[in-house]
Amino acid sequence: GQSLEQPSEVTAVEGAIVQINCTYQTSGFYGLSWYQQHDGGAPTFLSYNALDGLEETGRFSSFLSRSDSYGYLLLQELQMKDSASYFCAVAGGYQKVTFGIGTKLQVIP
Amino acid sequence: DVKVTQSSRYLVKRTGEKVFLECVQDMDHENMFWYRQDPGLGLRLIYFSYDVKMKEKGDIPEGYSVSREKKERFSLILESASTNQTSMYLCAGGQSNSYEQYFGPGTRLTVT
Repeated sequence: GQSLEQPSEVTAVEGAIVQINCTYQTSGFYGLSWYQQHDGGAPTFLSYNALDGLEETGRFSSFLSRSDSYGYLLLQELQMKDSASYFCAVAGGYQKVTFGIGTKLQVIP
Repeated sequence: DVKVTQSSRYLVKRTGEKVFLECVQDMDHENMFWYRQDPGLGLRLIYFSYDVKMKEKGDIPEGYSVSREKKERFSLILESASTNQTSMYLCAGGQSNSYEQYFGPGTRLTVT
């Protein structure tokens, strides 16, 4: 089976940097994805890491260490609009993904 | 612009009713997925399809079935709705060579 762990809630100050960690246990691992979901909205894709290392997309970066079964999402220059839930997801065969329970990020002024 | 649409945003059904949730994508994507989302449980995969008329069980298929007669349409069927199937249902599509999934707006189903 597959299991993922991520913090349930994180609070950070506007303009700061926040890191959301994700650890996983799985068989048949292809990579790690991250999704953002605002309250009442649909999840939207942020990133996918198949290889170890850091991938940067604007203010957001995602990191993967396959040997440690660990990844994180890094959000820089936080804005109020970044308040949302963030899900890590393990990728398997047939482009199937298994989601974590999500981390609710609250950005405060 | 990529689009996944779901037939209803809100739906109220009675216990024992047969319920159809429809999902349509305009992206010509091979893969389609049905999830349910519950507080504290994240998104859980019910069924997915990687081609027309092909389907695979996800992590929680009990009480559900699916139909994919055309590439753009993926239907979720609750054969006999029960109160524990009250949830937010999300449909997604994706390409066969990508892990990026595009989600619809969701259907909030209440079974009374």
